[in-house]
Amino acid sequence: DIVMTQTPLSSPVTLGQPASISCRSSQSLVHSDGNTYLSWLQQRPGQPPRLLIYKISNRFSGVPDRFSGSGAGTDFTLKISRVEAEDVGVYYCMQATQFPPLTFGGGTKVEIK
Amino acid sequence: EVQLVESGGGLVQPGGSLRLSCSASGFTFSSYAMHWVRQAPGKGLEYVSAISSNGGSTYYADSVKGRFTISRDNSKNTLYLQMSSLRAEDTAVYYCVKDTMADYWGQGTLVTVSS
Repeated sequence: DIVMTQTPLSSPVTLGQPASISCRSSQSLVHSDGNTYLSWLQQRPGQPPRLLIYKISNRFSGVPDRFSGSGAGTDFTLKISRVEAEDVGVYYCMQATQFPPLTFGGGTKVEIK
Repeated sequence: EVQLVESGGGLVQPGGSLRLSCSASGFTFSSYAMHWVRQAPGKGLEYVSAISSNGGSTYYADSVKGRFTISRDNSKNTLYLQMSSLRAEDTAVYYCVKDTMADYWGQGTLVTVSS
């Protein structure tokens, strides 16, 4: 199975400032169909996870444009351009290139300083 | 509007059984693979099981293989997870998840395995 490793574990951020989360996979996530099935999920406190970004950089329906994804191969990044209070929670990267199984990073907690 | 509503969780003794259900609406259920993902208290996400759109293919994590059975009834738009020989380490919130894209998640149902 592909192992997903996220850094940092925790990211204290000042409101209005940017935040960045990294995710590294143990193998390339480029699928034979040419797509890279790397997604980012957000889990607010007490809520289920929610899809934010799919295929590296595509924002899901209703996701604010302050969220952006980038990367290629085995290294990926989620950026929040200006953190808002509602962005507090845990963020997970997830791969679906080599499925099954879906595999998840360990999570990065975004909190306000 | 896509909705996934899990039910069937609760407190069960070690060695016991439970059946989880996930009622789906707002999309063509029979067209999508479905998944169960769990989250132990204070922990990250753990993949549990998957089933193809027609139910012909299934997958289980090693941690549940031989104890859990995933199934679906496309006529009822419902996904199931039959859990048996439950252990304390199966204690978690169990989420029903739509599609390999994981684009929609249910609210989850809590399973607590304890004597």
